Amino acid sequence: AQKITQTQPGMFVQEKEAVTLDCTYDTSDPSYGLFWYKQPSSGEMIFLIYQGSYDQQNATEGRYSLNFQKARKSANLVISASQLGDSAMYFCAMREGPGAGSYQLTFGKGTKLSVIP
Amino acid sequence: KAGVTQTPRYLIKTRGQQVTLSCSPISGHRSVSWYQQTPGQGLQFLFEYFSETQRNKGNFPGRFSGRQFSNSRSEMNVSTLELGDSALYLCASSARRGYNEQFFGPGTRLTVL
Repeated sequence: AQKITQTQPGMFVQEKEAVTLDCTYDTSDPSYGLFWYKQPSSGEMIFLIYQGSYDQQNATEGRYSLNFQKARKSANLVISASQLGDSAMYFCAMREGPGAGSYQLTFGKGTKLSVIP
Repeated sequence: KAGVTQTPRYLIKTRGQQVTLSCSPISGHRSVSWYQQTPGQGLQFLFEYFSETQRNKGNFPGRFSGRQFSNSRSEMNVSTLELGDSALYLCASSARRGYNEQFFGPGTRLTVL
């Protein structure tokens, strides 16, 4: 079973509008972390936001916020006031806790976001 | 503070050759992980190094190897290159294992002809 599922291969959003990118995850480890990365066409993975499984509040970083619904195992990324520079691939990733024996990141397939002027 | 650097940025090799890629983590970061990104398989974990020791390895053949030096810089080596090894190889650094921030370098794009 996939550990990270991103069901939207591609999305379009109008400039200055908000957009939500979906991510669901699967783990039995009570301690885990969820990450979102942006990958422009240049290839570099840019860290956006992190949510720990024990964090009580949803993470926010500037225009990015993470809508964390633990019971539903979802960690959707919300980008407010989209800008043309937000056009990129977006990856959701999970790192399971020490019990998993590894701190590797497991990535979803990604969502390609296109911002329309 | 300088980010993660990877060299070279681009590389073209032929089948059967070997290649070495280098990653310099952010100053003070001791954990380095490597990932392979291909259009078909997406992003896949290769190795994790911490304190000069390989802590974990992904599901890759023995042709893929790596090491970490005392200054936390890391190298990965791929021997007997195959066409399927063409990929973007990304290195990520973190202050410590399992930390909540992992920063990636720009990647090395390897093309095998």
